[in-house]
Amino acid sequence: DTGVSQDPRHKITKRGQNVTFRCDPISEHNRLYWYRQTLGQGPEFLTYFQNEAQLEKSRLLSDRFSAERPKGSFSTLEIQRTEQGDSAMYLCASTPQYEQYFGPGTRLTVT
Amino acid sequence: TQLLEQSPQFLSIQEGENLTVYCNSSSVFSSLQWYRQEPGEGPVLLVTVVTGGEVKKLKRLTFQFGDARKDSSLHITAAQPGDTGLYLCAGWMDTGRRALTFGSGTRLQVQP
Repeated sequence: DTGVSQDPRHKITKRGQNVTFRCDPISEHNRLYWYRQTLGQGPEFLTYFQNEAQLEKSRLLSDRFSAERPKGSFSTLEIQRTEQGDSAMYLCASTPQYEQYFGPGTRLTVT
Repeated sequence: TQLLEQSPQFLSIQEGENLTVYCNSSSVFSSLQWYRQEPGEGPVLLVTVVTGGEVKKLKRLTFQFGDARKDSSLHITAAQPGDTGLYLCAGWMDTGRRALTFGSGTRLQVQP
């Protein structure tokens, strides 16, 4: 296993379109996190799964955002009706307990 | 309002110089981590400090956790161009919240 992977690495979409990102965590890690990072800022927490259960969601996660982890392995983050303010790097991290291992991120640009 | 304030925001130094980056909060953290992030990549964990007053050394990097577990510092000795990157502190709050709180980062550039 080579670490956390995310797909795609880059996504350019037009305002109003839906996008979906995928994260494949390190296989033995049961916790998975999604963060959003804008330019010049640190990552901001979006949501967290323990196995397939979504245990916590940030208020940043509006109703246009939904995340799933159907079998407790990979996770998807969907953004519906994208807005220009959604442009950011979306990071996924998996953890065995406290130390988080990040993927390379998906950079979303909404035009 | 950032729960974790990092200073300075930007730092440009010459190779061989020493530097210190600070991470401060009014909140108590059960543990604190430092990450380095390069452009277009995710953060990479450098160290975790858990005990108030703890000092950890990683080659030329020295990390310290404040006695009250509200602040931390990262000291780099004899900086090298390969140290260039965004340094992020992140903490697990004592409230039991199950997500990391990140600072806004210190962008370091080491000129050869």
